[in-house]
Amino acid sequence: GNSVTQMEGPVTLSEEAFLTINCTYTATGYPSLFWYVQYPGEGLQLLLKATKADDKGSNKGFEATYRKETTSFHLEKGSVQVSDSAVYFCALRSSSGSARQLTFGSGTQLTVLP
Amino acid sequence: GAVVSQHPSWVICKSGTSVKIECRSLDFQATTMFWYRQFPKQSLMLMATSNEGSKATYEQGVEKDKFLINHASLTLSTLTVTSAHPEDSSFYICSVRAGTEAFFGQGTRLTVV
Repeated sequence: GNSVTQMEGPVTLSEEAFLTINCTYTATGYPSLFWYVQYPGEGLQLLLKATKADDKGSNKGFEATYRKETTSFHLEKGSVQVSDSAVYFCALRSSSGSARQLTFGSGTQLTVLP
Repeated sequence: GAVVSQHPSWVICKSGTSVKIECRSLDFQATTMFWYRQFPKQSLMLMATSNEGSKATYEQGVEKDKFLINHASLTLSTLTVTSAHPEDSSFYICSVRAGTEAFFGQGTRLTVV
C-alpha cells in the first residue's frame, strides 16, 4: 500500500535559517505529492504540490521537487520566518482510481525563534 | 477554494457519553466529505468517506457502530462518537475535495475522561 515517511520533529530554527524537512514515499504508479501546513488553531492548508516526476512545487518561499528516482519530496526554504512556525505534513494521492484519497506523513512541528 | 468549518474545536466528555462533531462546507456543495483521525505524533488516518444521501464508507478497522456518520445535506456531515472511551481521545479532522484539491476543517480535539 501507499505510505509517507517524513522527518520527525520537532524542529527548532532561528529566524533566517535554512529549512529542510525530509519526506519519502512508497506508492504504486505515479502519485501526486503535496505539502500541507497547519498553523495553530487552523485547518490544514495546501502549501504546494507536484503531479509528476521532476516537477517543482513552490509557494511562499517554500520549494519541493518530485524525485522519482529517490521517491522523495523534501521541503526546503532558504530563510525561515517566525510566521512559518506550524506543523507541516507531506502527503500523496495515488494515481489509481479507487485509491484517490490522501495518505499523510506524521507531520513535523517547526518552531522558528526570533 | 472551499471553506470548511468544524465545530466544536475542542470538547471534553465523560466516558460512556456520545459526542457529535459537525463539518460544514460553507461555500461549496460537497457530495463527499472525508473524516480523518490523528493520534499524537502520527499520521492523519482516513476513517471514513461520507456520502450525501447514502451510507458512509468506512476504512478497514473502523467501527461503524461507534463512529456514526451522517451526511444529510450537501453542506453538512456529522461524526458522532458513541459511548466514548478514553482511547477515543484524539484529533478529528474533516475534509472536502473540490476538483483536485482537498480543503480541511480546523479539526476537533476530543478528550474523554
